[in-house]
Amino acid sequence: AQKVTQAQTEISVVEKEDVTLDCVYETRDTTYYLFWYKQPPSGELVFLIRRNSFDEQNEISGRYSWNFQKSTSSFNFTITASQVVDSAVYFCALSDGDYKLSFGAGTTVTVRA
Amino acid sequence: DAGVIQSPRHEVTEMGQEVTLRCKPISGHNSLFWYRQTMMRGLELLIYFNNNVPIDDSGMPEDRFSAKMPNASFSTLKIQPSEPRDSAVYFCASSLLHGDTEAFFGQGTRLTVV
Repeated sequence: AQKVTQAQTEISVVEKEDVTLDCVYETRDTTYYLFWYKQPPSGELVFLIRRNSFDEQNEISGRYSWNFQKSTSSFNFTITASQVVDSAVYFCALSDGDYKLSFGAGTTVTVRA
Repeated sequence: DAGVIQSPRHEVTEMGQEVTLRCKPISGHNSLFWYRQTMMRGLELLIYFNNNVPIDDSGMPEDRFSAKMPNASFSTLKIQPSEPRDSAVYFCASSLLHGDTEAFFGQGTRLTVV
């Protein structure tokens, strides 16, 4: 069963626009962890943020912010004032009781100058 | 720390040959993961070690694939014999604890089997 769903395949924006990436997850566990990773064109996977299931407080870190809502099993990620360097594939991931990090299919973000 | 180190970065081999991918996790990390990334299937977890012990290898495609972790600082993923459909980017990742801490990824090995 698909644990992490990223419905958006591709998003294209103009520089300085905000970008929100959707992520819906599925788990039966009460303790779990959610992550966002970025994969730029160079290919490496870069960790961005982590959230545990007990902390629904939404935060902002620089131009990144996230919206975690357990009621809808969503963990959305927003890039504010996008820049060309934000162009990448963004992955949402879930780690639950089996400790395996399961990734969504990814959303390709293209920021045009 | 230098991060997770994988070698080689690129590997081109002929069908039927044995391929060995190597990984050095971040020092002090207890968990190690091998992932495969393809356009068709995305990021797939192949195997997961905790404290050098394989915990879950249900993602290993078939008997041609094997992985070892002889000590805390080294792991290998072997494909024997290799087939063209094994062509992919293989990532190794490590984390401090299993599950609840972020995993840090190596730069990957791009494998091409011709």
